[in-house]
Amino acid sequence: GQNIDQPTEMTATEGAIVQINCTYQTSGFNGLFWYQQHAGEAPTFLSYNVLDGLEEKGRFSSFLSRSKGYSYLLLKELQMKDSASYLCAVTASGGSYIPTFGRGTSLIVHP
Amino acid sequence: SQTIHQWPATLVQPVGSPLSLECTVEGTSNPNLYWYRQAAGRGLQLLFYSVGIGQISSEVPQNLSASRPQDRQFILSSKKLLLSDSGFYLCAWRSDHTGGEKLFFGSGTQLSVL
Repeated sequence: GQNIDQPTEMTATEGAIVQINCTYQTSGFNGLFWYQQHAGEAPTFLSYNVLDGLEEKGRFSSFLSRSKGYSYLLLKELQMKDSASYLCAVTASGGSYIPTFGRGTSLIVHP
Repeated sequence: SQTIHQWPATLVQPVGSPLSLECTVEGTSNPNLYWYRQAAGRGLQLLFYSVGIGQISSEVPQNLSASRPQDRQFILSSKKLLLSDSGFYLCAWRSDHTGGEKLFFGSGTQLSVL
């Protein structure tokens, strides 16, 4: 099976930087996704990492270390609209390459 | 461009009643289709996936079933709902069954079983 762990909730201040961590244990790791989900809405794709290192996309960056089973999502210049749940999902040969999701991290951005 | 439609958006059903949620995809052929459920405070749980017409794989044994009568149609059903079936149901598709393809989600159905 696959085990994915991320913090339940985080708070941060508008304009600040926040790092959301995700650790995983899986057989035959293939890649790791990050999705953003606002309350009552569908998740939307943010990033995909398959190789070690940092992928930057505007205010959002995602990092992966395959050897450590670890990823983080970095959000810069936080805005109020960034308040949402952030889902880490892993694909692996051990899971038929179907994305398996963590429980999500609820990020609250306050003024 | 591809779009995914899921309905209804919200549903309130009594315990023991039947259920039918429908999902259709436009703008692509032979998509891989998925049903996930998200209970309050929990992650997305995969319920069913399908790689083709009439091909359904079940991940979690329960009183739900799924069918794929047409290439771009995926239906989630139950004959008798339980209280524990309450949750946010999400249909999703992707173009391939490999690890690198991202999922595109429908808008979701909030189901409350009372």
